[in-house]
Order: sequence, then structure tokens, then C-alpha cells
Amino acid sequence: DGGITQSPKYLFRKEGQNVTLSCEQNLNHDAMYWYRQDPGQGLRLIYYSQIVNDFQKGDIAEGYSVSREKKESFPLTVTSAQKNPTAFYLCASSIMGGYTFGSGTRLTVV
Amino acid sequence: SQKIEQNSEALNIQEGKTATLTCNYTNYSPAYLQWYRQDPGRGPVFLLLIRENEKEKRKERLKVTFDTTLKQSLFHITASQPADSATYLCARPWDTGGGNKLTFGTGTQLKVEL
Repeated sequence: DGGITQSPKYLFRKEGQNVTLSCEQNLNHDAMYWYRQDPGQGLRLIYYSQIVNDFQKGDIAEGYSVSREKKESFPLTVTSAQKNPTAFYLCASSIMGGYTFGSGTRLTVV
Repeated sequence: SQKIEQNSEALNIQEGKTATLTCNYTNYSPAYLQWYRQDPGRGPVFLLLIRENEKEKRKERLKVTFDTTLKQSLFHITASQPADSATYLCARPWDTGGGNKLTFGTGTQLKVEL
């Protein structure tokens, strides 16, 4: 079955540590996105990529980095510069029309 | 990014009734609006897309309207069931530049009671 796989489901980060969230899709979609979801704030766009080897910042890119070396993969790194990383992170892909979302990664700072 | 607003208060209705959720947008009328369902701890699931030139769209028990005069979309679930309980998100295009980048509302939580 086609879809998006995010891993891990839960992730714990220590202060000052960089962590990478994985997002893989087998839908052959060109565009991929990373959103952050906090209670009461809805989804906020972190980064997006319309094509391999190209990506753009969203509203809240500070403290995050991405790469798009393959069409199928769009990993997100949460760096130590992100001061409030605890949130639910969602990856999505699209070709036209609606997004297909992954099941999310819940990141907690310990 | 363009703004989109949903009623943040939860909506509680009785099983069998019609649930109506509201999505309001500001500034220019978007080319389309999308609706998603999200269950706790899960990613949103795409339900419907309605284009600017479409007044109404239906899918099984779901109906979406798009009123460019009121700058509003209504999302209806008829004959609601407890399994319809979830948070429903409205989304619009990020800007006029084309592409498929979306801005999401905060969502409205629906609870269908027996």
C-alpha cells in the first residue's frame, strides 16, 4: 500500500542535542511538507519541498533543517537552536489536491 | 500566509443529528478549500476539496459549501454517529502564488453522543 511513514513515533531529546525525524513516502509525490502541531495552535509550516534538491522555509523554520536528496525522503532535523521543540510533528506529501499525512512523531525534551 | 479561522469551541451533538462546522477566511477568496479529519495522536486525513466556482460538494454523509460572499465554508455531517467524533480541520492555499502549500485552521472538535 502507498503511504507516508514517519519514524520514530516517540522521540526524546536532551538539551543541546540535535535529533532527526524520518519521513518516507512511496506515493511518487513531488511535494513534501513538515508541519508542527501544538495544542490550540493548529498546524504550522516548518519547511516544504516541491522537487528533489530544493526546499523552502515555512513560517517557523528557525531551529530546523531539512534535506531532499531523494524524491521519497524528506528528513527533518531539530537542532539545539530550537528552544521549544516539544510538539507533534507531521510530514505530508501531495501531487495535486489533498495532502497525505504520516502518523506523526511526538518529540519531547527531557 | 493567509488566515483561516475555525470555531475553537468543541461541538457536541446527539447521534443522528446533523453537525455543522464553520470555516471563515480573510482577504482574497482562495481557489479552493480543503477539509480534513484528525483523530487524537494521528495525522489528518483528507476528506473533501471544494473549488471557488463550486457552491456545494457531497461525499456520502458529508457536504461542504463555499460562500465567497460570506467568505465562509460550512462542513456538514448528516446522520452523525459516535465514530464521527474527531477534530475537523479546514485548509486554504498559502498564497496566490500557486502550488499546493496550505494554511490550516486550528480545527473544531466534534463529539457525537449517544
